[in-house]
Amino acid sequence: DTEVTQTPKHLVMGMTNKKSLKCEQHMGHRAMYWYKQKAKKPPELMFVYSYEKLSINESVPSRFSPECPNSSLLNLHLHALQPEDSALYLCASSRGTLNTDQLFFGSGTQLSVL
Amino acid sequence: GESVGLHLPTLSVQEGDNSIINCAYSNSASDYFIWYKQESGKGPQFIIDIRSNMDKRQGQRVTVLLNKTVKHLSLQIAATQPGDSAVYFCAESASGYSTLTFGKGTMLLVSP
Repeated sequence: DTEVTQTPKHLVMGMTNKKSLKCEQHMGHRAMYWYKQKAKKPPELMFVYSYEKLSINESVPSRFSPECPNSSLLNLHLHALQPEDSALYLCASSRGTLNTDQLFFGSGTQLSVL
Repeated sequence: GESVGLHLPTLSVQEGDNSIINCAYSNSASDYFIWYKQESGKGPQFIIDIRSNMDKRQGQRVTVLLNKTVKHLSLQIAATQPGDSAVYFCAESASGYSTLTFGKGTMLLVSP
């Protein structure tokens, strides 16, 4: 199994809603990532988890709250988002955190904030 | 031919042509480089990588060239097929850092 599975595929939410994005991998990878991608732009790193601990937070606003319940799961909790947060949210995983450890990406959650 | 629009450079080729997609990077400390392919509605997919101690690496129908002197990376796709149509991103990283920096991306359009 070389898949990173993300749910839901699409999400529409209001600015006062609370929602969560989910990501799962069963490759035994110990590093997991959240990226944000606007249309026609490259992915931008948000968070890195290494061995279930948050190791990098790229100055992401607190309305985005990551969680890593175990080595296979990664969540992104959303609260009080703004319309400019509408984007494709990509989860990725890698065996470790060496820069040469290949990233495997999920298909993303397309988020629209109204 | 290649055109640079407001948002995403686009390379249009005919099926069967060879395609060359270019990427400039800025970090002299980068020592690992990757090309990703992203199809519509999907996440980036690994194509090929190269370390800084090499200047060329070949895969199936793809070749990556690295010129560290001018900080330039290119992806060559032989006998381009309609299924190659996608956005291609280069990415770079430096030893000791687990994070990738993605380039701006190039859209490849292959017409039959």
